[in-house]
Amino acid sequence: SAVISQKPSRDICQRGTSLTIQCQVDSQVTMMFWYRQQPGQSLTLIATANQGSEATYESGFVIDKFPISRPNLTFSTLTVSNMSPEDSSIYLCSVVGGGRGIGETQYFGPGTRLLVL
Amino acid sequence: AQSVTQLDSHVSVSEGTPVLLRCNYSSSYSPSLFWYVQHPNKGLQLLLKYTSAATLVKGINGFEAEFKKSETSFHLTKPSAHMSDAAEYFCVVTTFSGGYNKLIFGAGTRLAVHP
Repeated sequence: SAVISQKPSRDICQRGTSLTIQCQVDSQVTMMFWYRQQPGQSLTLIATANQGSEATYESGFVIDKFPISRPNLTFSTLTVSNMSPEDSSIYLCSVVGGGRGIGETQYFGPGTRLLVL
Repeated sequence: AQSVTQLDSHVSVSEGTPVLLRCNYSSSYSPSLFWYVQHPNKGLQLLLKYTSAATLVKGINGFEAEFKKSETSFHLTKPSAHMSDAAEYFCVVTTFSGGYNKLIFGAGTRLAVHP
């Protein structure tokens, strides 16, 4: 399994500002994923980040709003830009625990709880 | 397209009684299925996974799930609920797209356990 840490664990931000969330993994991984969990909702995939290439965004998410960096095989950042109260969510990063097969387990970080006022 | 439907948004049981959380899936090929648990203010933890091996899958904390292809179901069960089982449970199906696997989450079932 992989041990994943995220910073910050929570934050309260003003609308119009931006927040960068960091995700650190204790081992090298090819793919990292960013999810959003809105209050009382399930998880939705924002994008997939591979090292050395542009992130791939899911429908409804755009790079200008959620820019992602992936500078190496153990680290990624997600920025939530020009925030509004609708961005208040838990943001989670995850990694695949070895391999790329369909049955590979994804491990999740503890999440970043964001409240936008 | 792959999808999962969790049939109950809330389930309430008494401590010591059985737990049943229902999940149906839709898949155009043999799926991989997971159950994750999310305790309040905690991250997601993998309970168990099915990847086309044994149809009865045993997970952590006494949970198990049975893959039934004929019923397209992957229900989660536990013989005896414990207070610490109170949490949100997510049924998840994997779809392989663009060279990697994506997780598709169900809406979640909130399990309450009463003394």
